[in-house]
Amino acid sequence: RKEVEQDPGPFNVPEGATVAFNCTYSNSASQSFFWYRQDCRKEPKLLMSVYSSGNEDGRFTAQLNRASQYISLLIRDSKLSDSATYLCVVTPAGGSNYKLTFGKGTLLTVNP
Amino acid sequence: GAGVSQSPSNKVTEKGKDVELRCDPISGHTALYWYRQSLGQGLEFLIYFQGNSAPDKSGLPSDRFSAERTGGSVSTLTIQRTQQEDSAVYLCASSLGGRDEKLFFGSGTQLSVL
Repeated sequence: RKEVEQDPGPFNVPEGATVAFNCTYSNSASQSFFWYRQDCRKEPKLLMSVYSSGNEDGRFTAQLNRASQYISLLIRDSKLSDSATYLCVVTPAGGSNYKLTFGKGTLLTVNP
Repeated sequence: GAGVSQSPSNKVTEKGKDVELRCDPISGHTALYWYRQSLGQGLEFLIYFQGNSAPDKSGLPSDRFSAERTGGSVSTLTIQRTQQEDSAVYLCASSLGGRDEKLFFGSGTQLSVL
């Protein structure tokens, strides 16, 4: 099982749609989780952290399921500007919390 | 500075030449990271600095790759005797360090080895 695995997509949705991405991770002792977004030919940027209780930031909701070892990102009322690659990021356990592991990303295209 | 700055933004070199990539992190960020991203691939961890020390060099692909950081600030990634498979975008990121793992990335250096 890969350390961090994501459905590569692409996801093509119309404006206003709700879309959800999942990401699974292999190390059950992983401690921190994040979603980053990466626009085409740009650097990754932090979208949001993922907390155990779940968290929301405007149209974006992130959830963590430790038992099943997956995190999710829900985007409501999709905008054209949401088109990007969404990267799932996990820190490993064991003190090496700097060594973030990035998934390969899920490509989202929001269409007018 | 306002953000992480990398230079050059693009570098085209011939196979066998040495290249140096520079990263200027956000002021006050003690942690600095180098990643590599090949076309259509995920980010590959290369090396991490805490201050001027590199406790983990395990991601460096070969002994042709080296990196240093001076004054707890600027870092240089050097690739000797470049090969075509070294072609990628090299991304630098910094963070406050400690338990804060939120990374801020530079816009990267696109390296093309002909």
